[in-house]
Amino acid sequence: AQSVTQPDIHITVSEGASLELRCNYSYGATPYLFWYVQSPGQGLQLLLKYFSGDTLVQGIKGFEAEFKRSQSSFNLRKPSVHWSDAAEYFCAVGPNTGFQKLVFGTGTRLLVSP
Amino acid sequence: DAGVTQSPTHLIKTRGQQVTLRCSPKSGHDTVSWYQQALGQGPQFIFQYYEEEERQRGNFPDRFSGHQFPNYSSELNVNALLLGDSALYLCASSPGTGNRGYTFGSGTRLTVV
Repeated sequence: AQSVTQPDIHITVSEGASLELRCNYSYGATPYLFWYVQSPGQGLQLLLKYFSGDTLVQGIKGFEAEFKRSQSSFNLRKPSVHWSDAAEYFCAVGPNTGFQKLVFGTGTRLLVSP
Repeated sequence: DAGVTQSPTHLIKTRGQQVTLRCSPKSGHDTVSWYQQALGQGPQFIFQYYEEEERQRGNFPDRFSGHQFPNYSSELNVNALLLGDSALYLCASSPGTGNRGYTFGSGTRLTVV
């Protein structure tokens, strides 16, 4: 079965500190991988995506993620967090062929302390 | 450039009623997908429409149905509403059916009382 696990429900980071959000997936084949961010009362915004090639991908707002096939992981990182990064972050996986359908994790809520 | 537009933004319905949610995709996008996001959960795939046909469906009962119009806009209909249908309903559009990433709307918050 396809699934995504985000083990951290909440994470609190001090402003200016580094951030890593964990994502592990279970998928039958090599999937496409995504990170989305959701601010309160808003839809989801795509931060970055991995399809193939270089396993370190860069996204918007200074975020990056690394695909590790051996660990079935796609962790999101940011070297210095800003207060505006406080939001809910979702990891998602989908097929690399055929119709698009994403399976999302349950999300990690990021709190940024001053 | 308008993104994905959903209406209404909020809705309160009574158990047993029917509801219709609407979505206009981003300009240039011809595929619309619908997701349900319950409180504290990640979005769950309901179905996808392309060329006015349902192409793929998630694990949702037949009470959930949809439609896509020639201008690519879409509707989500839910019949015989249950309390458990209370959620944020997200519309996502994309160019074509391939999995290259969506553009999401801000959603419709449905509350069933």
